[in-house]
Amino acid sequence: DTAVSQTPKYLVTQMGNDKSIKCEQNLGHDTMYWYKQDSKKFLKIMFSYNNKELIINETVPNRFSPKSPDKAHLNLHINSLELGDSAVYFCASSRGGRRGAQYFGPGTRLLVL
Amino acid sequence: TQLLEQSPQFLSIQEGENLTVYCNSSSVFSSLQWYRQEPGEGPVLLVTVVTGGEVKKLKRLTFQFGDARKDSSLHITAAQPGDTGLYLCAGFMVGNEKLTFGTGTRLTIIP
Repeated sequence: DTAVSQTPKYLVTQMGNDKSIKCEQNLGHDTMYWYKQDSKKFLKIMFSYNNKELIINETVPNRFSPKSPDKAHLNLHINSLELGDSAVYFCASSRGGRRGAQYFGPGTRLLVL
Repeated sequence: TQLLEQSPQFLSIQEGENLTVYCNSSSVFSSLQWYRQEPGEGPVLLVTVVTGGEVKKLKRLTFQFGDARKDSSLHITAAQPGDTGLYLCAGFMVGNEKLTFGTGTRLTIIP
């Protein structure tokens, strides 16, 4: 029944490792997003995909690479993890263009040691 | 400097009291949304306002969009412990397809 799901919920890893976070939505939405929430709870968009096409790519290090195999999935791969990458990463989706209500997943808490 | 500044940043009040949270910007927004986020979860949309001066009510919550579409407020009447959470305003600036989030207000209602 979960509308937007993310795995894993917690991710603890060493600096320099490569990791992936997966996101799936069963709402039939055509737009998906990745957001980063820092320790001060500030939420900032990283990427947005519409029908598997990248439409928003914020100033994010190229160590971060999103991949959308289909409309229902948007994964985030991070290479060479750094301490500053520690944050909560949220996936979200929306319908009917990018101004519709966004539905967020539960978040992935990434801690880089 | 953040595009959407919320005040107060933290608010702790007794159950039954009223409160107002503000969301301010120097930029014009074509629409503005309010979300509530509880610990360990993602933000959940409460309301969207699109017209300057628009007022929307959701039970004890009243949302207002400023006439110039640069600011918004959230008023809660007779706050309850279940209102506790992080309140985020977010908006689409005119001509921008990116949802910009505010700095957040952490609200605690004390039983």
